[in-house]
Order: sequence, then C-alpha cells, then structure tokens
Amino acid sequence: AQSVTQLGSHVSVSEGALVLLRCNYSSSVPPYLFWYVQYPNQGLQLLLKYTTGATLVKGINGFEAEFKKSETSFHLTKPSAHMSDAAEYFCAVRDKIIFGKGTRLHILP
Amino acid sequence: DGGITQSPKYLFRKEGQNVTLSCEQNLNHDAMYWYRQDPGQGLRLIYYSQIVNDFQKGDIAEGYSVSREKKESFPLTVTSAQKNPTAFYLCASRADAQGIDYGYTFGSGTRLTVV
Repeated sequence: AQSVTQLGSHVSVSEGALVLLRCNYSSSVPPYLFWYVQYPNQGLQLLLKYTTGATLVKGINGFEAEFKKSETSFHLTKPSAHMSDAAEYFCAVRDKIIFGKGTRLHILP
Repeated sequence: DGGITQSPKYLFRKEGQNVTLSCEQNLNHDAMYWYRQDPGQGLRLIYYSQIVNDFQKGDIAEGYSVSREKKESFPLTVTSAQKNPTAFYLCASRADAQGIDYGYTFGSGTRLTVV
C-alpha cells in the first residue's frame, strides 16, 4: 500500500526566506512522486514530478524537490519566498494518486 | 486550449435532493477521477474511471454515483443518501492510467452547499 505524510498542516515563512515543505511517503514499488499547488477556490496545479532519473527535480515558480530513497522523502523547497507563493501544497504518490493532507503556506511580510 | 471544465462553480442544494456535478475534458485523457476536499482532510477519492463505460469506487463512494458514457464526460451525482455532502469537489483526468504517469490535470472545482 502507498501513503503520504506531510509534516505541518501550516507553515509560515518570511518573504525572501527559504521555503521547506516536508513530504514522506511509503510505497512497495518504485514511486512516482508529485507536488501540487492549490490557490483558494481553485483546482490543483502540478508543480513538479519525479518519475525516474535525476533525483533533483525542478518545477514551476522556482520550486524544486529532491527524491531521497534512503529517507523516503520528497521535500519541496524554494530559496526565496514570494507573497504569491501563499497557497496550499499537496504531495502525492502515484497509482490512483494518494494525496497528503496538504500544507498551507503563509508568507509573512 | 485543452483542459477540464467543471460546472457549476457554486451549487446549492436542499436536503433530500439529488444533484449532478458536471466534468468535461478535451484532453483526450483516458482516466478521470472525482475527489472530495474538506478542510484539513486533503483530497479523498470518490470514484474513478479508466475507460469509457467502466468505473470503480474510491475510498468514499457511498452516497455518490457516476457514469462514463463518453470519454470526455464524467458526471458525478450526489444523492440524498450522502449524509454530509457540503464540500469542494474536484474532477481530474490523466493521460494513461497504466503507463507513464504525467500527473493529473484538475478542473477548477465545484463548491456544493446543502441548505
């Protein structure tokens, strides 16, 4: 069975600071991993995905994530937060895609 | 532009009534999905369909029904048997349910409120 755990339902960072959203997964098969972003009253938009190959994956809006098999992690980072990054972020693992419960990112001015 | 269209964006229903949420895609995707989103609970899978005329129950199918008569369309009916239907409903599609996974494309959602 597959599952996803996102640490922290709310994360606050100052504008310009590093963004780190944590995601750990469990999967009995090689995972495909995804990060999605959701703005209020909208659907989810794909930020980035890992399937095979390079473990550091770059996505849209300056986000990136690194697949670490030994740690079963796929944490999302961005070097410098912008006010427009305030949203809810979902980590997901494939096969009917199992979603984490989401992390709401707050950007402090 | 290709995409997924959900309608209506906001929907109000009286208790005891059935209501149908529309989901249409022009991406030529095989697989389509319905999720329910509640605050603090993330997304929960209601139903999914990997091919026309076939669909499978997800984790919370009770009180819901679907049909997949056309590749482009996957309507969701919220029946009066659904005990707590007020939620945000998201429809999604995926290019190939069995092969390479490009991730989901989501609609913009329908917010259903029971009054």
